[in-house]
Amino acid sequence: DAKTTQPPSMDCAEGRAANLPCNHSTISGNEYVYWYRQIHSQGPQYIIHGLKNNETNEMASLIITEDRKSSTLILPHATLRDTAVYYCIVVGSWGKFQFGAGTQVVVTP
Amino acid sequence: GAVVSQHPSWVICKSGTSVKIECRSLDFQATTMFWYRQFPKQSLMLMATSNEGSKATYEQGVEKDKFLINHASLTLSTLTVTSAHPEDSSFYICSARFLRTSRGGETQYFGPGTRLLVL
Repeated sequence: DAKTTQPPSMDCAEGRAANLPCNHSTISGNEYVYWYRQIHSQGPQYIIHGLKNNETNEMASLIITEDRKSSTLILPHATLRDTAVYYCIVVGSWGKFQFGAGTQVVVTP
Repeated sequence: GAVVSQHPSWVICKSGTSVKIECRSLDFQATTMFWYRQFPKQSLMLMATSNEGSKATYEQGVEKDKFLINHASLTLSTLTVTSAHPEDSSFYICSARFLRTSRGGETQYFGPGTRLLVL
């Protein structure tokens, strides 16, 4: 499964959009991009996933570049409750999730 | 989204005892569940893959005789930490694989985790 690179930390102002980047330059054609987040002392929470096309749901938007070597998770209006570690995972069907260090996002008032 | 529960949410035990952790998918059936471990300030580490009706497969370095996994039904997997020692103290998290037919791919839904403290 492809490895991912994420910045270790990001700060975001409450009410503003948070754009979380992820590099996955070795992604292969059948691998999906997943985003999860983990609020302190809880299990990871599914946010969104995609293969090639951009995706949007009630939580976030996922923008995948045309060459699929990077992606951006967008939280449109960050709230204090969005403070968490965000994980970008690239994996094929039936593959195993490998969690990296993720990005610690701190939303400030 | 789909819901996965874990029980207990936290447990304190004496060294040498065994501890069983349950993982349940509440509103979907899961032929495959996963067990992870997370030490403080570290990321999740996959321990094993639990398949309903068959033996679990363990990641390299994980002792299968120490971490017994049973996946007897499509909604329940259990992890038993046998003869627990203080170094087994950790946050144990399970997940259940949910197959998406509409958009492709699959999703893992995670339980809330079980914090184990071995004295």
